[in-house]
Amino acid sequence: KNEVEQSPQNLTAQEGEFITINCSYSVGISALHWLQQHPGGGIVSLFMLSSGKKKHGRLIATINIQEKHSSLHITASHPRDSAVYICAVGAGNQFYFGTGTSLTVIP
Amino acid sequence: DVKVTQSSRYLVKRTGEKVFLECVQDMDHENMFWYRQDPGLGLRLIYFSYDVKMKEKGDIPEGYSVSREKKERFSLILESASTNQTSMYLCASSFSPDITQHFGDGTRLSIL
Repeated sequence: KNEVEQSPQNLTAQEGEFITINCSYSVGISALHWLQQHPGGGIVSLFMLSSGKKKHGRLIATINIQEKHSSLHITASHPRDSAVYICAVGAGNQFYFGTGTSLTVIP
Repeated sequence: DVKVTQSSRYLVKRTGEKVFLECVQDMDHENMFWYRQDPGLGLRLIYFSYDVKMKEKGDIPEGYSVSREKKERFSLILESASTNQTSMYLCASSFSPDITQHFGDGTRLSIL
């Protein structure tokens, strides 16, 4: 049983395309996180959100608490956006991770 | 900026060896975590610690132990390494378990 489900697992896009990665969760959460992991392993936190929408540069994250769903959008994608994007939720004393979406942006 | 430092980026060991993975954070975080990451399985929690000398089992503690003698340092120990412990190991820290965790760069461990 996965508390956090992501889709798609793998995504290939042409440079400039608009990208959407989806995340659904089944537990009550205090916050949802989008993480980025570049080849080589390091993970950085992109967003933490508990309602509404956040924007940072070309990245936009939205969350619908009622539907238990979040999306990460990348506008005008670029090859340097190629990475694994991981959705994670904080629930009580626990942190649950999705299995990640591997994004490749082709020039 | 929070800095979480893992002692090695790459490590190769032999089956049966005792392996130590070290993690140090510089932000006085109470909570520290050890995960392993495998293709198709995502991040899985091995152990976490919410205070010095305190530890809690995560989802997959078998074959591992941990040590937290000082607040800034959290060690993962493979008592007798086996080939199925070949994986990427990630350490993280945070003020609270359910808010932003700060990750180290990971240790890619190969057990031959």
